[in-house]
Amino acid sequence: ILNVEQSPQSLHVQEGDSTNFTCSFPSSNFYALHWYRWETAKSPEALFVMTLNGDEKKKGRISATLNTKEGYSYLYIKGSQPEDSATYLCACTDRGSTLGRLYFGRGTQLTVWP
Amino acid sequence: DAGITQSPRHKVTETGTPVTLRCHQTENHRYMYWYRQDPGHGLRLIHYSYGVKDTDKGEVSDGYSVSRSKTEDFLLTLESATSSQTSVYFCATADNSYEQYFGPGTRLTVT
Repeated sequence: ILNVEQSPQSLHVQEGDSTNFTCSFPSSNFYALHWYRWETAKSPEALFVMTLNGDEKKKGRISATLNTKEGYSYLYIKGSQPEDSATYLCACTDRGSTLGRLYFGRGTQLTVWP
Repeated sequence: DAGITQSPRHKVTETGTPVTLRCHQTENHRYMYWYRQDPGHGLRLIHYSYGVKDTDKGEVSDGYSVSRSKTEDFLLTLESATSSQTSVYFCATADNSYEQYFGPGTRLTVT
């Protein structure tokens, strides 16, 4: 079992603020790191998959970085909007994890106030 | 959109009754998963499948069984439902990239 931790657990920001949160994971035997966005009463949707140390991915105002040597990933949201309010999940798998299993963190719940 | 459907979407059942939830996918994905969502716990893996008739336990598998007799269907069975199994259940599928696509969820209430 991989221990994936996310911080903070929740975050409240004002519209227009930029924000970031962290996902920590075991660095040994790392294979891939996933970020998901999960709106209330909907299903989680994939944002990014990253595999290489130093990877950076961007989708609109949301971007993510990956440091596999120290075992962390950051998710950044620039100029937060109310529609960014959601729970952001990260999940990872390592080379010892067999057959497609991802280990999820508990998520960071973001609320953006207008 | 990986074309994942779950049925039923809502169910209320009594303690001790058997319940089966169905996940159906149209994308021919190899991997399928059942998760439950509970406040304070995020998503917890119940069982998963890496091929037809190939399944394995997740972290909260007690009280649940699964079957996958064909690629497109993954069934989750609660043999004798308990109140602690009241939850929202999500099915997911993945191809060889391991990126998971989630179904709409099933809200199960055990009274």
